[in-house]
Amino acid sequence: GESVGLHLPTLSVQEGDNSIINCAYSNSASDYFIWYKQESGKGPQFIIDIRSNMDKRQGQRVTVLLNKTVKHLSLQIAATQPGDSAVYFCAERVNSGYSTLTFGKGTMLLVSP
Amino acid sequence: NAGVTQTPKFQVLKTGQSMTLQCAQDMNHEYMSWYRQDPGMGLRLIHYSVGAGITDQGEVPNGYNVSRSTTEDFPLRLLSAAPSQTSVYFCASSYSPGVNTEAFFGQGTRLTVV
Repeated sequence: GESVGLHLPTLSVQEGDNSIINCAYSNSASDYFIWYKQESGKGPQFIIDIRSNMDKRQGQRVTVLLNKTVKHLSLQIAATQPGDSAVYFCAERVNSGYSTLTFGKGTMLLVSP
Repeated sequence: NAGVTQTPKFQVLKTGQSMTLQCAQDMNHEYMSWYRQDPGMGLRLIHYSVGAGITDQGEVPNGYNVSRSTTEDFPLRLLSAAPSQTSVYFCASSYSPGVNTEAFFGQGTRLTVV
């Protein structure tokens, strides 16, 4: 079967580099954002989240930046490792009662040793 | 802790056949959902449920039915499979959609309709 990674924007980096993956979201009313990592043949896995009242949040080797003015989200991965190779998705939520997540199309990150 | 379990992992159907994709979670989550993932399309929401006995349509509900008789289980039914339903299907659960909690995803079911 065709991989979900085909036709996606791809970011290729060397091991040890810092990676920045970008996401433009669609709804100015979105109040919560999540970054997911999806390895080949697996389901998406939560990486980090951020609420709209913040502009930066840090985790272990990852940082998410939120610019509400231009509706832009980015994921920074420090000291990228081969195990970081995956497809990365951003997701946004509009808080209106029972809210659902809307996912972006994803970016494939390829890390070379 | 099993998390979200989907069965089967792979399935081939003939056009017009029906089948049920199973999803179970053992985290006592209220919120469960089904997504399909196609190349270059990201994840698209099919149906979701905010609790036992309550379901609603997502972005791409046509051709799929769901029910939620228990908190743990959220099966997805294809009544008459079509080649356009060839996709990878993911089930997800969350404690509550109103709380800032991430969704936990199953490992996926790869469905091919011939």
